[in-house]
Amino acid sequence: QITLKESGPTLVKPTQTLTLTCTFSGFSLSTSGVGVGWIRQPPGKALEWLALIYWNDDKRYSPSLKSRLTITKDTSKNQVVLTMTNMDPVDTATYYCAHSPYGYCSGGSCYYYYYMDVWGKGTTVTVSS
Amino acid sequence: SYELTQPPSVSVSPGQTARITCSGDALPKQYAYWYQQKPGQAPVLVIYKDSERPSGIPERFSGSSSGTTVTLTISGVQAEDEADYYCQSADSSGTYPEFGGGTKLTVL
Repeated sequence: QITLKESGPTLVKPTQTLTLTCTFSGFSLSTSGVGVGWIRQPPGKALEWLALIYWNDDKRYSPSLKSRLTITKDTSKNQVVLTMTNMDPVDTATYYCAHSPYGYCSGGSCYYYYYMDVWGKGTTVTVSS
Repeated sequence: SYELTQPPSVSVSPGQTARITCSGDALPKQYAYWYQQKPGQAPVLVIYKDSERPSGIPERFSGSSSGTTVTLTISGVQAEDEADYYCQSADSSGTYPEFGGGTKLTVL
């Protein structure tokens, strides 16, 4: 059974850096094809994809937030960490991490289907002074 | 940036069929996925690779694709299906994923 749990601060000040940790079980990020992603949802608004990291350390970032995001993995701890710099009140949201089950490499290129089949419950982050 | 367009809302009576559309220029090249989100809960994957249904998802949920539009169909809608539904796909080059704006399904 795959489970994921997000953790981190519930309140950050504007301009600070947010660090969120996703701790998971039921799969390994050293297994070929597997990825973990981060998605957020401001109150009353739509889902917004942020970043993904795969078993081969390939990373994908939202083009609009790329300059502020860093995603890393610690395979031994079954954790994925997302950092977001220069936080602003508009970044107030519920942040989810999720398991992405399908990627493969062939002929020197890698391909991903990007979907998330199991999600954590989310963690709420408020940005306020 | 790439965009996926969904209607903001769809209403249907119990037992009827609900159809939620999602349009995007890259959809002929990329698979679409659908998520159901109920208030206060995390999203749940209900359709993957355009029309595949994960285990545990009722058969009344189905997906289809035609050109630049994909459709989530819920046959015999039940009150428990009232939720927000999001489509998700990737840009035409498969570089990054993106979500649609979401559709609120109301069961009258």
